Order: sequence, then structure tokens, then C-alpha cells
Amino acid sequence: QTVVTQESSLTVSPGGTVTLTCASDTGAVTSAYYPNWFQQKPGQAPMPLIFSTNNKYSWTPAHFSGSLLGGKGALTLSGVRPEDEADYYCLLYFGAVGVFGGGTKLTVL
Amino acid sequence: QVHLQESGPGLVKPSQTLSLTCTVSGDSVSSRHYYWNWIRQPAGKGLEWIGRVYSGSITSYNPSLKSRVTISIDMSKNQFYLNLGSVTAADTAVYFCATMGTMGYWGRGTLVTVSS
Repeated sequence: QTVVTQESSLTVSPGGTVTLTCASDTGAVTSAYYPNWFQQKPGQAPMPLIFSTNNKYSWTPAHFSGSLLGGKGALTLSGVRPEDEADYYCLLYFGAVGVFGGGTKLTVL
Repeated sequence: QVHLQESGPGLVKPSQTLSLTCTVSGDSVSSRHYYWNWIRQPAGKGLEWIGRVYSGSITSYNPSLKSRVTISIDMSKNQFYLNLGSVTAADTAVYFCATMGTMGYWGRGTLVTVSS
């Protein structure tokens, strides 16, 4: 079973910048894995943020961006706001099969 | 705007089959624009991709669940379905239906508890 790894927790100050990463135990993450990113707040369904590495939805806040960084998928938040505190999940596709990362708990403090 | 709504029994007995429906409004399940997915989340834990159906009948499943899962579509009802057989307490979770990719829409989720 393929394993996708994310930081378990990160802390960032309001106004700061933070990068969350998404790694695969099969090797470097490329655009062929179609990295997706989701935000989930307590008691809510996940909200899609990014698809296919760096594409935003109409509702994705402007200060979120997706990329590939050092062989991993990456989600960068620039100018972090208190309301960005949430769990973040990445999803990679291995052919037709999707695998979620374990999630990153982002604290804004 | 596409809207997805999960429905089904909130309680399933061990060894039985969990069956859920996702009702789609705002577009057609026959549309080739969408991959129709099922995802689950046990309480306090992360997300798990269960599988998807697209182009009416092409399916792919999580290898760890593949022997127990079937995902299907009924175009006449504009719904798609999840069947998970031989359930145990480990299958207790909130189950979400969702589209992925260019069209990112999720249902609110439905809690299914496996218990006798």
C-alpha cells in the first residue's frame, strides 16, 4: 500500500508564510500524480483548494498556492490569517487510485 | 453549481453490507466532466479514498478495500452508490461523496456506525 506523508503539525504566526508538503514513498512527486489539496475545519466537510498541482478553484483564497518543491507536492500560504487554522490534506493519484496524506494540523499563533 | 447529498442507514450490523446513495443536482452523473468519488473519515482521523466511478461505468478502488467495495451509477436517478460488504467496527466513519479535479464539489457527509 502506497504511503503519502505530510507534516503532522505546523505552527505559523499571523501574517507569516508557511509551506506544507506532500511526499510519496514511491519517489519524487511530479505533476503526473495530480496533487490535490483540501482544507478541513472541525465539523465540516473538506473544502478543495488546489487541483493538478497548482490550479485554484473559484473559491480558493488568493493567498493559497500549490507547487512542486524538492520532489514533493507543496501548498504555500502567504500572509496567513487566523481563519486559516485547520487541517490540510493532500491527495495524490497513482494511476487511477487516489491516496490521501495523513493530514497537517496548522496552528496560527 | 453542483450539489451532492449522501443518504443511507446510519447504523449497520457487523458482517452486513453498508449501502449509501449520493444524489446529484445541478448536473448529470452521465457527464464526462466528473469523477464521482467516495471518501471516508473515522472520527478524529484522516481521510481515506474509497474509490470512484466515471464515464458511466469505469471504476477504480482503494486496493485495501477492493475486495469489499462496489461503486455504481444510476443515470435515470442521477445518483451514484457505494456498497461495502462484510463490514466491521473499523468501517465506522463519516462517508463523503465528492467530485475531484476541475470540479471540486463535496457532500456534507453522513455518519455510518457499524454496531450490533
